[in-house]
Amino acid sequence: QKEVEQDPGPLSVPEGAIVSLNCTYSNSAFQYFMWYRQYSRKGPELLMYTYSSGNKEDGRFTAQVDKSSKYISLFIRDSQPSDSATYLCAIAGPYNQGGKLIFGQGTELSVKP
Amino acid sequence: SAVISQKPSRDICQRGTSLTIQCQVDSQVTMMFWYRQQPGQSLTLIATANQGSEATYESGFVIDKFPISRPNLTFSTLTVSNMSPEDSSIYLCSSADRASTDTQYFGPGTRLTVL
Repeated sequence: QKEVEQDPGPLSVPEGAIVSLNCTYSNSAFQYFMWYRQYSRKGPELLMYTYSSGNKEDGRFTAQVDKSSKYISLFIRDSQPSDSATYLCAIAGPYNQGGKLIFGQGTELSVKP
Repeated sequence: SAVISQKPSRDICQRGTSLTIQCQVDSQVTMMFWYRQQPGQSLTLIATANQGSEATYESGFVIDKFPISRPNLTFSTLTVSNMSPEDSSIYLCSSADRASTDTQYFGPGTRLTVL
């Protein structure tokens, strides 16, 4: 079983749609949860970071964590063509794991005008 | 957040040769990491670059194949040695502060093609 599983997509939505991106993880020791956005031929860009169950909102983006189900989600409201990218979830354990991030496979999102 | 640059941005190399990739951060950072992203795949951690000591490699990656240097708090290099076509990949470096090692910022990547 992979430590992090992410719906691979690809996902295509019309402009203005609500997008839901999801990951599950296997180890309850993981405590930190991140979402990265990666445009084609660019490095990953940190979008959201959270460490507690519940929702964290930043503009059109909401990160949701359910530690009891080991499930994390990223919601994008009013999606725009500029949101077209690959979205990667990443998880990390306690600090004594040396900062190792484990990434999901990535979901390729396309927002059509 | 730290700004990270990498050189070269891309290269095409012959089988059996070696390539050294440079990573420069615009501020002193505690930790630097090297990742590989194979075509259509996610990121896999190769090693943690430790300043003043040997890098810490993940399972499946060895120093002879991927020697790493980190001479100071803003710079690191990764060498891909004795390359084969299977090494064709994007190589990314990232940085983090010890206070929040899980919040990592990435460079733009080096796209390597081995013929």
